[in-house]
Amino acid sequence: GAVVSQHPSWVICKSGTSVKIECRSLDFQATTMFWYRQFPKQSLMLMATSNEGSKATYEQGVEKDKFLINHASLTLSTLTVTSAHPEDSSFYICSVRPEPKNIQYFGAGTRLSVL
Amino acid sequence: ELKVEQNPLFLSMQEGKNYTIYCNYSTTSDRLYWYRQDPGKSLESLFVLLSNGAVKQEGRLMASLDTKARLSTLHITAAVHDLSATYFCAVVTDTGGFKTIFGAGTRLFVKA
Repeated sequence: GAVVSQHPSWVICKSGTSVKIECRSLDFQATTMFWYRQFPKQSLMLMATSNEGSKATYEQGVEKDKFLINHASLTLSTLTVTSAHPEDSSFYICSVRPEPKNIQYFGAGTRLSVL
Repeated sequence: ELKVEQNPLFLSMQEGKNYTIYCNYSTTSDRLYWYRQDPGKSLESLFVLLSNGAVKQEGRLMASLDTKARLSTLHITAAVHDLSATYFCAVVTDTGGFKTIFGAGTRLFVKA
């Protein structure tokens, strides 16, 4: 069964609205979760590392005010795309890497389409 | 900064043939992953390689790791159409937050 649950799987929204994506670790407590973005036919780009109980660590070039990350519990991290624009349309994937298992698990992904 | 280079980026091959995908990375790491991604789907874990000389096999796929050369290979034996997908290698940095960095991916198409 799924180790990481991501919701919603698909969302269409109007430009200027905000969208929240949830990522739940079902089998593990996750002090750290990872958020990736994947544009069509491209690789996964790490956006940020979500840290339970503290601020997320964003990768260079990722706007922290636009992509709000909240990791309020050991099993839930959320990514909110604020004031979404068409260029934010992408496939967003969350991931959990419970130590010391070494395996990294991925959610099913959220396809965001901004009109 | 860790860079992960994968080649080829696109591979079209006949069923029954063998081929190898290469993954080079630029700094030291203690973990390398291989994933498969089907169109519109998330990632499926294929292999986790943890040590120099590690070799793992599953069906027609075999992965190896040479940490001294900073090179991993994914070898496909007697390809079948069902192997058509995009394959990614990914490396975990051993500094700066233990982030997983992905290669560009290899789009494999196996012709029946």
